Amino acid sequence: QSVLTQPPSTSGTPGQKVTMSCSGSSSNIGTNYVCWYQQFPGTAPKLLIYRNNERPSGVPDRFSGSKSGTSASLAISGLRSEDEADYYCATWDDSLNGPVFGGGTELTVL
Amino acid sequence: EVQLVESGGGLVQPGGSLRLSCAASGFRFNSYWMNWVRQAPGKGLEWVAYIKRDGTETNYVDSVKGRFRISRDNARNSLYLQMNSLRAEDTAVYYCATENGLARFDSWGQGILVTVSS
Repeated sequence: QSVLTQPPSTSGTPGQKVTMSCSGSSSNIGTNYVCWYQQFPGTAPKLLIYRNNERPSGVPDRFSGSKSGTSASLAISGLRSEDEADYYCATWDDSLNGPVFGGGTELTVL
Repeated sequence: EVQLVESGGGLVQPGGSLRLSCAASGFRFNSYWMNWVRQAPGKGLEWVAYIKRDGTETNYVDSVKGRFRISRDNARNSLYLQMNSLRAEDTAVYYCATENGLARFDSWGQGILVTVSS
């Protein structure tokens, strides 16, 4: 059982915009920045979003993040087949004094 | 170019021990917190442990407290994870990762598989 809650799966068609959620509590998302990671099968995760909505260099602006209260969202616009991957949210938890991850959302591009 | 290369994984019996290493290059190792994150087969990511820049502070996920020990050697640009009293549920790919802000893991190693089985 992950500290952060993500829907296990979502899907979209090429060109569409998809949004996935990440729900936490006052001790984690409510008081700390949220990051998002993209992971393809058999490979290491890659940082996609940090500080709720900042993109590392090289990450397309089709990817955007937002946060409100104890929830966060990742949006992918202009969906492409190569976006098919697992997406994880993460943040710091003040009660646990450590990082926590969501269970991950598997994105399928139909 | 940032490089993190894990080693030391493999098959170990329940109750056994293993020491993972992570060799870092391409960045100022002693400027970053370092972490171990694991992923059980077919499961999600789970943070395991962190160690601050000078090694004076560490923390662990509850499930490994008292069994795992994270350490670093800044002179050798290396991170370690000593794993004792291993259990089947510790079976996972273990990644080392730099932390550049709380839960912001900028760089990851390729991962190393640890299998705990008799």
